[in-house]
Amino acid sequence: SQQGEEDPQALSIQEGENATMNCSYKTSINNLQWYRQNSGRGLVHLILIRSNEREKHSGRLRVTLDTSKKSSSLLITASRAADTASYFCATPEAGGFKTIFGAGTRLFVKA
Amino acid sequence: DTAVSQTPKYLVTQMGNDKSIKCEQNLGHDTMYWYKQDSKKFLKIMFSYNNKELIINETVPNRFSPKSPDKAHLNLHINSLELGDSAVYFCASSQDLRGWDTQYFGPGTRLTVL
Repeated sequence: SQQGEEDPQALSIQEGENATMNCSYKTSINNLQWYRQNSGRGLVHLILIRSNEREKHSGRLRVTLDTSKKSSSLLITASRAADTASYFCATPEAGGFKTIFGAGTRLFVKA
Repeated sequence: DTAVSQTPKYLVTQMGNDKSIKCEQNLGHDTMYWYKQDSKKFLKIMFSYNNKELIINETVPNRFSPKSPDKAHLNLHINSLELGDSAVYFCASSQDLRGWDTQYFGPGTRLTVL
């Protein structure tokens, strides 16, 4: 199956709540990235976490990486309606040139 | 001052036609990509070029032919369009050709084949 698989596939929350998305991957990586895609737009890079990092913050975003479990999570705190988008994790192909994107989590934040 | 731009944004055409999508980046990156995103949002790499050299050539029909006249441009030509080609096509760029580098995406071209 695909490397970089997110769950849940879809998430609906109220404004102000936190949203957590998870990503699992299969091979060893040197970094993992999260991207956001607003409806009808291209992907936008959010954050990169290296394999020797366990946690990284950027504004309301918090990313964790557990290389022993080959998993990462993206937490968006105090969500806003503008956070409504699809979120993708991305990992480099082992020994190759590709970036493998997961199927994404569709987040809907209700105002 | 758009970083990665694509034209056209929408493309509606009949089966059997030939069409092209153009992409330009002004980030000074060496690597450019074409991705196809299907209706379920799954993003699949099609091609990548590094300094005009083809690096990734995924298993796509040979009706799809990329062309990179220089490292700032990567165009996609599609011959004999089929219904299954309907999708959103994204161009992207990165500095490094390895899969760990951050990619910058264009706004997408929504292709509809009737």
